[in-house]
Amino acid sequence: GQQLNQSPQSMFIQEGEDVSMNCTSSSIFNTWLWYKQDPGEGPVLLIALYKAGELTSNGRLTAQFGITRKDSFLNISASIPSDVGIYFCAGVSGNTPLVFGKGTRLSVIA
Amino acid sequence: GAVVSQHPSWVICKSGTSVKIECRSLDFQATTMFWYRQFPKQSLMLMATSNEGSKATYEQGVEKDKFLINHASLTLSTLTVTSAHPEDSSFYICSARDQWGLHYEQYFGPGTRLTVT
Repeated sequence: GQQLNQSPQSMFIQEGEDVSMNCTSSSIFNTWLWYKQDPGEGPVLLIALYKAGELTSNGRLTAQFGITRKDSFLNISASIPSDVGIYFCAGVSGNTPLVFGKGTRLSVIA
Repeated sequence: GAVVSQHPSWVICKSGTSVKIECRSLDFQATTMFWYRQFPKQSLMLMATSNEGSKATYEQGVEKDKFLINHASLTLSTLTVTSAHPEDSSFYICSARDQWGLHYEQYFGPGTRLTVT
């Protein structure tokens, strides 16, 4: 099925650094969702975006819904060890299933 | 955010037996729930979409007679893996959609690790 292009696939950063990851699609979405998944757990919703150009923050996390509706990015500022995990973007339009990116695996070096 | 529970969190069963996994939305009503399967180091693979009061819609390649889905209420969906085989061993995750107007938020359960021996 359709899948979003999410990059980078993995990142190794120092504690305290900022992180940026993004997703692009060939299709337009009405909603973008960002999730974090820890090993052995289900994904946890971090941020939901509903309007083109929307910029939303959740603590140290900031995400934006691209103007073209075909992309979104997630930034994490001042990373800490507990930010380690896999981050997934997901897009949806209408009452259809989410379309996921392949995930960005984040490792934080203390 | 909203909470989705899943039970059991892990189960070991013998080949040929059936296993039922429950998914509940605890603080909202979900007309639509989804069942996913996840292999190690991979993204989530959608198995089926479950709408309350109607038959589930299965993705291509997913056997509906093997993976029985029942969405009997707005807060409960169940997945039954029938006649389980070792290749059914996997991490199964349910998800419930909270919708208001044209907006959605979708929440995931903690997952169920199934091991078939």
